Amino acid sequence: AQSVTQLGSHVSVSEGALVLLRCNYSSSVPPYLFWYVQYPNQGLQLLLKYTTGATLVKGINGFEAEFKKSETSFHLTKPSAHMSDAAEYFCAVSEIGNTGKLIFGQGTTLQVKP
Amino acid sequence: GAGVSQSPSNKVTEKGKDVELRCDPISGHTALYWYRQSLGQGLEFLIYFQGNSAPDKSGLPSDRFSAERTGGSVSTLTIQRTQQEDSAVYLCASSLVAGGHTEAFFGQGTRLTVV
Repeated sequence: AQSVTQLGSHVSVSEGALVLLRCNYSSSVPPYLFWYVQYPNQGLQLLLKYTTGATLVKGINGFEAEFKKSETSFHLTKPSAHMSDAAEYFCAVSEIGNTGKLIFGQGTTLQVKP
Repeated sequence: GAGVSQSPSNKVTEKGKDVELRCDPISGHTALYWYRQSLGQGLEFLIYFQGNSAPDKSGLPSDRFSAERTGGSVSTLTIQRTQQEDSAVYLCASSLVAGGHTEAFFGQGTRLTVV
């Protein structure tokens, strides 16, 4: 069965510092991978996705992620954190079978300190 | 509408009562999904609609949970005889078509509290 593991339920960085949120997946076939962000009392917003092609994917708000098949990873990065980046981040894999059903990681709360 | 709309945004109900949660997907989106977000359980899939049919309802926790979709649009998630463990945020999402590569757009959720 497919699964997603996000390492670190809470990550704290200083404003201007590098953001690195870790995601590892398990899948028997090439996966479709997603990062979503959730601000307080809001729904999920897509940051970026990997389907096929280039393994370095750029998303909104300066975020990017790299699909590394050999490491079964899809870590999310941003060179310089802003206060507005404070939110909860979810990594997800699309379930095999092409229904669009998403399997989510447990989420990582990002705190940005001034 | 411009986005996925869910109502009510908050619902407090007494244990044992029935509740209905509503989702209005983005116009023209054929696929609709319900997820539940709760402390300790993260985001869990509940049910998926393609048009008015539900090919996958494997995530519904018990037979107290049911959902329907009419006119290929609005969906209602019904929880009968609510229990305290049903307290969670229920999120609805829609996508243009069902597919592993397609983007799902999420509503703001309904926060259900069972007292």
